[in-house]
Amino acid sequence: GAGVSQSPRYKVTKRGQDVALRCDPISGHVSLYWYRQALGQGPEFLTYFNYEAQQDKSGLPNDRFSAERPEGSISTLTIQRTEQRDSAMYRCASSLNPRNTEAFFGQGTRLTVV
Amino acid sequence: AQRVTQPEKLLSVFKGAPVELKCNYSYSGSPELFWYVQYSRQRLQLLLRHISRESIKGFTADLNKGETSFHLKKPFAQEEDSAMYYCALREDSSYKLIFGSGTRLLVRP
Repeated sequence: GAGVSQSPRYKVTKRGQDVALRCDPISGHVSLYWYRQALGQGPEFLTYFNYEAQQDKSGLPNDRFSAERPEGSISTLTIQRTEQRDSAMYRCASSLNPRNTEAFFGQGTRLTVV
Repeated sequence: AQRVTQPEKLLSVFKGAPVELKCNYSYSGSPELFWYVQYSRQRLQLLLRHISRESIKGFTADLNKGETSFHLKKPFAQEEDSAMYYCALREDSSYKLIFGSGTRLLVRP
């Protein structure tokens, strides 16, 4: 595709429900990143993949959050038993490789937990 | 801990006025600094990075290691510059970006 694609663009869910957010990176990009952005704040790092390997998940806030990228392309960020504090913009980015190349961001998924 | 500080939440200027968006960072190593921009209803995109030392859309930013700053400047603001601007840091041998909280630039006609 022309850019990083995220779906859905908007998601409203009830507390306690599980949600899955999808990211389709730019074709050929090895590196994939997930960030979370609360209202009035900058994006905060969640996790990073190099091909299909999750190299760093230090930013995931707790064990309700998980991510996978099984074939080294599309990635899914899953939040189990959602809570209101999970409401945020979730941004995915990809880059050709982890160093010295630009990270391209998707449009983001706005998650609202009610 | 690494931190990026953007002290202004909102900066409002008139068209044609000079603009300076402030960014300070705390990091003891050799960071790479970036400015990202998000125009209304568009995705976050890279504006410039300090290693490129180039001017994009009339914007420049110089890394001042002594003052640990990376302020974004433009001599004559245009209405189309209105957007959210985020300063970001990447530490050496890392891949993750550490963002500031952003500054909204509003350029009035």
